[in-house]
Amino acid sequence: DADVTQTPRNRITKTGKRIMLECSQTKGHDRMYWYRQDPGLGLRLIYYSFDVKDINKGEISDGYSVSRQAQAKFSLSLESAIPNQTALYFCATSDYRGIDTQYFGPGTRLTVL
Amino acid sequence: GESVGLHLPTLSVQEGDNSIINCAYSNSASDYFIWYKQESGKGPQFIIDIRSNMDKRQGQRVTVLLNKTVKHLSLQIAATQPGDSAVYFCAEISNSGGSNYKLTFGKGTLLTVNP
Repeated sequence: DADVTQTPRNRITKTGKRIMLECSQTKGHDRMYWYRQDPGLGLRLIYYSFDVKDINKGEISDGYSVSRQAQAKFSLSLESAIPNQTALYFCATSDYRGIDTQYFGPGTRLTVL
Repeated sequence: GESVGLHLPTLSVQEGDNSIINCAYSNSASDYFIWYKQESGKGPQFIIDIRSNMDKRQGQRVTVLLNKTVKHLSLQIAATQPGDSAVYFCAEISNSGGSNYKLTFGKGTLLTVNP
């Protein structure tokens, strides 16, 4: 969905490096999410934010941190990347109106060597 | 623990046939359920949703059925087309607000449509 963009789309880094993945949306949604996707494990929620001042841990937040810089921007950081953080990362947004339909970005493929 | 799972990891159908993708869930407190489609190299795309107080909901060529008695969710695709080939995920959401928000995705079913 072009309304949700992620940068970079691909990244290869080394163990111990700090990495930031960025997400921007033009949908005007209050809610934003970060997921990782691994083969055979589906999508797992890392962090979510219901508004600029709200940050919540998801299922697998250890080793990650986030920053909600503005309504439209939500970044995910790996302070010290490790190989098992190699995965496909997705950002999503939603505008809760009874049902929380989420709109996903194109994904960032991260490889930690 | 709570879980969302799929009965079949892969499904292969002929073009024009109907497809049924199943999902089991165990969190009886879930407020609603969503089906997503993910094509290769893309992010998941919303297909259809259903509230927990409903049994059935129809969209364009798709129908979602919810059986709360056996905690089962299904996605039916009518007249399946090659463009329907993708991985399909179910998700269950308990949206009691703030830090109590809980979303769980199933592992996905790969649907392959043969011409």
